Amino acid sequence: GAGVSQTPSNKVTEKGKYVELRCDPISGHTALYWYRQSLGQGPEFLIYFQGTGAADDSGLPNDRFFAVRPEGSVSTLKIQRTERGDSAVYLCASSFSPQGGGYTFGSGTRLTVV
Amino acid sequence: DQQVKQNSPSLSVQEGRISILNCDYTNSMFDYFLWYKKYPAEGPTFLISISSIKDKNEDGRFTVFLNKSAKHLSLHIVPSQPGDSAVYFCAAENTGTASKLTFGTGTRLQVTL
Repeated sequence: GAGVSQTPSNKVTEKGKYVELRCDPISGHTALYWYRQSLGQGPEFLIYFQGTGAADDSGLPNDRFFAVRPEGSVSTLKIQRTERGDSAVYLCASSFSPQGGGYTFGSGTRLTVV
Repeated sequence: DQQVKQNSPSLSVQEGRISILNCDYTNSMFDYFLWYKKYPAEGPTFLISISSIKDKNEDGRFTVFLNKSAKHLSLHIVPSQPGDSAVYFCAAENTGTASKLTFGTGTRLQVTL
């Protein structure tokens, strides 16, 4: 597609449940990133993929968070045993080059844990 | 530890005037700086960037200034237009490591008629 597509756009889940957030990057973009934006904050880095592999997952807050990109295109961010503090907008971005920013961000998935 | 700081949460400017958004950073390893613009319910969109080897970069109405010794950068928008009303994020990167941006908390710009 023309842009980075994220689904669903909104997700409400109960505390303790498992959720999956999907990101469909721009075709041909080898670099893919996940960020999380909490209310009143800037986006915070979670994980970066180059191709199929996670080149940097230092931003994942704990082992409840996991992300995959099995074919080097679509990526899924998985959150187990959700907590109310996980409520945020989860942003995905992709680019040709891993450096220099210039990412294209998706519109995000707003996750609300009740 | 907030490595990129935008100390003004909001700014109101009259149409046609100059908007100046400020950003400070603490990590001396940052060597590339970017500004992103964000409208509600949309992802951030890249606006302009500057490498640490430069002190100014201009693109149309947008100019970014970098003062490395002060660890300070600013975004100037001249003239400001109502469509510029958005949240502006400053971001920084160490290009020597795997790419990740460190963002500030954002400044909400309101351009009034």
